[in-house]
Amino acid sequence: DFVMTQSPDSLAVSLGERATINCKSSPSVLSSRDNKNYLAWYQQKPGQPPKLLIYWASTRESGVPDRFSGSGSGTDFTLTISSLQAEDVAVYYCQQYYGSPLTFGGGTKVEIK
Amino acid sequence: EVQLVESGGGLVQPGGSLRLSCVASGFTFSSHWMTWVRQAPGKGLEWVANIKQDGSEKQYVDSVKGRFTISRDNAKNSMYLQMNSLRVEDTAVYYCGSGLGWIFDFWGQGTLVTVSS
Repeated sequence: DFVMTQSPDSLAVSLGERATINCKSSPSVLSSRDNKNYLAWYQQKPGQPPKLLIYWASTRESGVPDRFSGSGSGTDFTLTISSLQAEDVAVYYCQQYYGSPLTFGGGTKVEIK
Repeated sequence: EVQLVESGGGLVQPGGSLRLSCVASGFTFSSHWMTWVRQAPGKGLEWVANIKQDGSEKQYVDSVKGRFTISRDNAKNSMYLQMNSLRVEDTAVYYCGSGLGWIFDFWGQGTLVTVSS
């Protein structure tokens, strides 16, 4: 099975500052067939379902603000919020969809400092 | 407007059964993979099962294999999760999701399943 490890577990960032969340996969989620990384990022606010932010590691879902960006390849990935807004307070999850079972990281809670 | 509405959750004793439903609207249901993901109280997200557009492929997390069955009825724009032999550790909010592949971009609000004596 694919193991997804996120870090940190939580972080507090000042409004307008950058937030960076890391995700490591084991094994790699980069497909040699199509050269795509089968990795997504979700945002979940309290009492709400997850919301897709990023897929193929770096493709922003329609309607997602451009302050959210994804990067990385193979086994190491990053979600960056370039300028944290109050509405970005949430838990963020990475997820691999390379193979079954689909697996999520443990989540990173983002708060305002 | 795309909508996914789950129902069927509730309180059940260990060893009991429940059937969750997810009714879709606002998109071509038969063109989408569907999934169930759950979240235990205060915990992270856990994928439970997927089903292909025509129901020909199904996948499950190991912890529910042999106990849960995912199915769909494209004529009714509906997906189901039959849960048997429920355990305390199955207690969670169950979300249904949809996607053109395994990228799930629409989600319901969830239904709570509580397994307790």
